[in-house]
Amino acid sequence: DQQVKQNSPSLSVQEGRISILNCDYTNSMFDYFLWYKKYPAEGPTFLISISSIKDKNEDGRFTVFLNKSAKHLSLHIVPSQPGDSAVYFCAASEVNRGSTLGRLYFGRGTQLTVWP
Amino acid sequence: GAVVSQHPSRVICKSGTSVKIECRSLDFQATTMFWYRQFPKQSLMLMATSNEGSKATYEQGVEKDKFLINHASLTLSTLTVTSAHPEDSSFYICSARSTGNQPQHFGDGTRLSIL
Repeated sequence: DQQVKQNSPSLSVQEGRISILNCDYTNSMFDYFLWYKKYPAEGPTFLISISSIKDKNEDGRFTVFLNKSAKHLSLHIVPSQPGDSAVYFCAASEVNRGSTLGRLYFGRGTQLTVWP
Repeated sequence: GAVVSQHPSRVICKSGTSVKIECRSLDFQATTMFWYRQFPKQSLMLMATSNEGSKATYEQGVEKDKFLINHASLTLSTLTVTSAHPEDSSFYICSARSTGNQPQHFGDGTRLSIL
């Protein structure tokens, strides 16, 4: 059973505009969320994360929003650039005793294409 | 920083062959390493978690005698697919983290094709 869902397999955005990638989860025990970016023939690269005690985390052009009541998070990229074109994976984890992250549960990814 | 190297990137071999994949953390010590498998258009599925110096913990449904994991040092873990068959063909990817509250950093994966 897929506990982390990315319902949009693809997203196409014009350069300079905002990209919004969505992610839903079903397990209310998840309290740490991560976004990874993956280029072809490379492994996923950690992008940004958010703890459940926050509802927003920002790092440069990337902002992650968390809505715990809706079990939904989103990644905003603004302004989008052609180099952002990649597959974006959402992942979720519980936080165990001692602040140790549990195993990651991944969504299936969303292919973002940013066109000039 | 946080570079994870995985080799080989591509393996093509005959059925019945055993294949070893290496995962190294290049610039940090990895207390925990993870092995994933990904099918086309699917999410990364965790196969096993390994802590340095101890036996790996396998996820349900993953045969530990089929997928041998060794994490002999803080910078190296290996996955050996024993007596590989065509159904083992997949994309295998490792990750590593330095401490329990740090994100995992991934290798570039290994495309395994069994003929």
